[in-house]
Amino acid sequence: GNSVTQMEGPVTLSEEAFLTINCTYTATGYPSLFWYVQYPGEGLQLLLKATKADDKGSNKGFEATYRKETTSFHLEKGSVQVSDSAVYFCALSAQNYGGSQGNLIFGKGTKLSVKP
Amino acid sequence: DSGVTQTPKHLITATGQRVTLRCSPRSGDLSVYWYQQSLDQGLQFLIHYYNGEERAKGNILERFSAQQFPDLHSELNLSSLELGDSALYFCASSVGQGLQGAEAFFGQGTRLTVV
Repeated sequence: GNSVTQMEGPVTLSEEAFLTINCTYTATGYPSLFWYVQYPGEGLQLLLKATKADDKGSNKGFEATYRKETTSFHLEKGSVQVSDSAVYFCALSAQNYGGSQGNLIFGKGTKLSVKP
Repeated sequence: DSGVTQTPKHLITATGQRVTLRCSPRSGDLSVYWYQQSLDQGLQFLIHYYNGEERAKGNILERFSAQQFPDLHSELNLSSLELGDSALYFCASSVGQGLQGAEAFFGQGTRLTVV
């Protein structure tokens, strides 16, 4: 079945450090890939997405490239800030999953803490 | 603010009881999705409704049920509650019939504690 695996946290970085959070997926067909972020006490928010192979999603300095050959969608940011501290979820939406036109399947989340 | 409203924010109840969680989607969104977030299982998809009709079921227990009303708000009913049902329950909404390439807008969740 469809699944998402992302690196276990927590990840602790100093401000301005480089961030990579690994994400790999298993899916039939051609899924869409997403990164969602959850700040403390809030719901999830879409950070970025990519809908086909070699697409790069980007937002707020974060980037991720849809790599079909390695079934990966790693999240990167060149210089993290304290305000980036949150839990990051990799997710996929596959066509015709469970009879609907795509539903989100999430990884377990990676907690990022950025220290000043 | 995502535009998705969930009530109540917190709920504490005893084992064996029944509760109802409510979700109002963003204006114009026809799809509502329910997710359960727990420490051990992560985010698990429960059920999806589109314009009042059930479209997909995920890992939803038989003790749980949901519906979407004509005004598009949705309710998740949890009955015969067990300690293991304690979790954060999220509702999300989207415009179309699914999330293939589309953004889901999440509410802030209802934290259910079963004692």
